Amino acid sequence: KQEVTQIPAALSVPEGENLVLNCSFTDSAIYNLQWFRQDPGKGLTSLLLIQSSQREQTSGRLNASLDKSSGRSTLYIAASQPGDSATYLCAVTTGGGNKLTFGTGTQLKVEL
Amino acid sequence: ETGVTQTPRHLVMGMTNKKSLKCEQHLGHNAMYWYKQSAKKPLELMFVYNFKEQTENNSVPSRFSPECPNSSHLFLHLHTLQPEDSALYLCASSQDSGGRARNEQFFGPGTRLTVL
Repeated sequence: KQEVTQIPAALSVPEGENLVLNCSFTDSAIYNLQWFRQDPGKGLTSLLLIQSSQREQTSGRLNASLDKSSGRSTLYIAASQPGDSATYLCAVTTGGGNKLTFGTGTQLKVEL
Repeated sequence: ETGVTQTPRHLVMGMTNKKSLKCEQHLGHNAMYWYKQSAKKPLELMFVYNFKEQTENNSVPSRFSPECPNSSHLFLHLHTLQPEDSALYLCASSQDSGGRARNEQFFGPGTRLTVL
């Protein structure tokens, strides 16, 4: 059974800092990995999708990497801003069908 | 605006009530999903529909009954729920090509359900 772990569970940084969020998964036979952002009480916003054949994806200040063989992904956020404050979720697609298995998330707070 | 809408956004119901959650996607996708998000727990997949056919039921109790009349609409019918069913219920959609490359899922804003 696929399990996804995210470390740290919570993170507080000053504005402008570069930061890394970590995601690990137990079954390396994934189809893809997706990073999401969730604001309090809201739905999920897709940030980046990395297919299993890819090593990284970039969107603006965000860069996600994937090391499938070791079961790890990182989300790098450059020059963090208060508007980046949210919970960041990692999810992988494994097995038949398009089923996502989620981690519990990293709650990020960027302070002025 | 994600292209996936859910109504109602908030719902309070008693254990003997019957209610329905509605999801609509405006993205032309062929797959739709229901997820449950409880406090302090990871999001859990409940149901998957591809081309209106249910392809996944993740051991969900029968008091939750999904319905997918077409590829744009998905319902979750609720009856005789328990207080532990209180959670954020999220709908998502994707374009499932059926190949090895699984496609991005887009989520709605969710329905916050409270069962008294």
